[in-house]
Parts: sequence; C-alpha cells; structure tokens
Amino acid sequence: DGGITQSPKYLFRKEGQNVTLSCEQNLNHDAMYWYRQDPGQGLRLIYYSQIVNDFQKGDIAEGYSVSREKKESFPLTVTSAQKNPTAFYLCASSNAGRAGGYSPLHFGNGTRLTVT
Amino acid sequence: EDQVTQSPEALRLQEGESSSLNCSYTVSGLRGLFWYRQDPGKGPEFLFTLYSAGEEKEKERLKATLTKKESFLHITAPKPEDSATYLCAVLSNAGNNRKLIWGLGTSLAVNP
Repeated sequence: DGGITQSPKYLFRKEGQNVTLSCEQNLNHDAMYWYRQDPGQGLRLIYYSQIVNDFQKGDIAEGYSVSREKKESFPLTVTSAQKNPTAFYLCASSNAGRAGGYSPLHFGNGTRLTVT
Repeated sequence: EDQVTQSPEALRLQEGESSSLNCSYTVSGLRGLFWYRQDPGKGPEFLFTLYSAGEEKEKERLKATLTKKESFLHITAPKPEDSATYLCAVLSNAGNNRKLIWGLGTSLAVNP
C-alpha cells in the first residue's frame, strides 16, 4: 500500500543534541511538508519542498533544517537551537494541485519527540 | 488577518444523535477548504475538499457544506467509531501567496 512512513514513532533526546526525524513516501508525490502540532495550537508549517533539491521555510523554520536529495525522502533535523523542540511532528506529501487549487495532504502517523 | 475558527472545541454525542461541526473563516481569496479526521496519536486523514460556496460532499455518515463564511461538517446517526478530532484547513491566496491555515479542531466523542 502507498503511504508515508515516519520513524521512529517516539524519540527521546537530551537538551543540546541534534536529532533527525525520518519521512519516506511511496506515493510518487512531488511536494513534501513538515508540520509541528502542539496542544491548543493549529498545525504549523516548518518546511516544505515542491521538488527535489529545493525547499522553502515555513512559518516556524528557526531551529530546524531539512534536505530533499530524493523524491521519496524529506528528513527533518531538530537542532539544539530550537528552543521548544518537544512536540508531535507530522510529515505530509501531496501531488501538484489543479490550476489555482491545492491537492490535499497525505500525512504520516507522526513522531513524538521529547527533549529533556 | 487570515483566521480559521472551529466550534465547538469538544462535542459529546450519543450514538445515533446527529449534529454539526462548524468551521468559520476569514481569509483573503479562498482557494479551497479541507476537512480532516485525526485519531489520537496519528496523522490527519483527508476527508473532503470544497472549493466554492454551495458545494457539498458526502461520505458515509459525513456531509460537508460550504458558504462564503463557513463550512459545516454534518454527522448523521454517528457511531462510536466516528470519535476523533475533526480538523478544518483553509487555503488562502493573498497576493498570489498561497497559504494553508488550520483550525484547532473539534474533538468528537460518540458514546454507545
């Protein structure tokens, strides 16, 4: 079955350490996204990529980095510069939308990161 | 400022008791409205896309409608398995800069 795989499901790190979250998709989608979800807040966009070897900052990119070397993969690194890294991280992908429109996002099942 | 507001925050229904969830929005240039369902500890699952006022979409016990200011997700005769958080997202197109704006969701619990 096609889908998006995020790993690991739970991740624990000490403050000051960088950590990389994995996201792989086999939907053949061009666009991929990273969101952060916190209680009491809507989904917030961290980074997105519409094509291999290109990506753009979202609304809360500070303290995060990404790469897009392959169409299928879009890993997110949470650096020690991120002040509040503990959160639920969601990866998503989509097809190119219809003209003027937007293709719905397909989400993975998330990685819950806890930094102490 | 672009904004999406969902109400109520939480809703508890008895099995079979129909109701509606609301998503009101204030955005520049609506390009589409999306409904998602999210189960605890999982990613959101796409339900519907609505593009223009008057449009309706249905899937099993769910029906989504759209006006110029809000969208409703109607749940007819809900079952316990419909318990989840329902998220609304609106695509705005202010100055040709498309942006997806998310609501906080409505947490639905259906009791057997």
